[in-house]
Amino acid sequence: QKEVEQDPGPLSVPEGAIVSLNCTYSNSAFQYFMWYRQYSRKGPELLMYTYSSGNKEDGRFTAQVDKSSKYISLFIRDSQPSDSATYLCAMSRSNDYKLSFGAGTTVTVRA
Amino acid sequence: NAGVTQTPKFQVLKTGQSMTLQCAQDMNHEYMSWYRQDPGMGLRLIHYSVGAGITDQGEVPNGYNVSRSTTEDFPLRLLSAAPSQTSVYFCASSYSMPRGKTGELFFGEGSRLTVL
Repeated sequence: QKEVEQDPGPLSVPEGAIVSLNCTYSNSAFQYFMWYRQYSRKGPELLMYTYSSGNKEDGRFTAQVDKSSKYISLFIRDSQPSDSATYLCAMSRSNDYKLSFGAGTTVTVRA
Repeated sequence: NAGVTQTPKFQVLKTGQSMTLQCAQDMNHEYMSWYRQDPGMGLRLIHYSVGAGITDQGEVPNGYNVSRSTTEDFPLRLLSAAPSQTSVYFCASSYSMPRGKTGELFFGEGSRLTVL
């Protein structure tokens, strides 16, 4: 069983819809939770960064972490065609460079 | 700033051939790493380095070698290419802790390798 599970989709939504993405994990030692965005034929780039449980909001993006359920989510409000990308969740233990990534969910926002 | 630069962007090899994927960063990052990305598998760590002269294995190191002689460069060597090494390879770097945040990696654009 993978340490981090993420539904690969694909997910197709109309412009303006709310996109909901999530990952589950099995390692209770994970303390840092991230979402990376990867455009086609490009490298991933850090989108959201959260430490431990709670919510974090940045513009149209909200990241949620529920450590008790080992579940993290990313919400994209008022989605735009420019949000079309693959979204990868990632997590790590404290003071550990090594990240565990989910498989990535491919999102298409239709104009 | 160029960030993280990978070369070549594309490469086709025959089984048994060797080659080196180059990675250079101009951000003075201490930490550098190599990942491979395969469909349905996510990114998997191959090797990493926390500074010049220091390297360590990641999750899938077999068939790959690395060295770190300078802060800027972290080449990945395929010793004897196999079809199972067909993948997209990403180099990533970050500041060492506590200057950098755990997990805040800066990625290159990838090197797409096909082994026939």
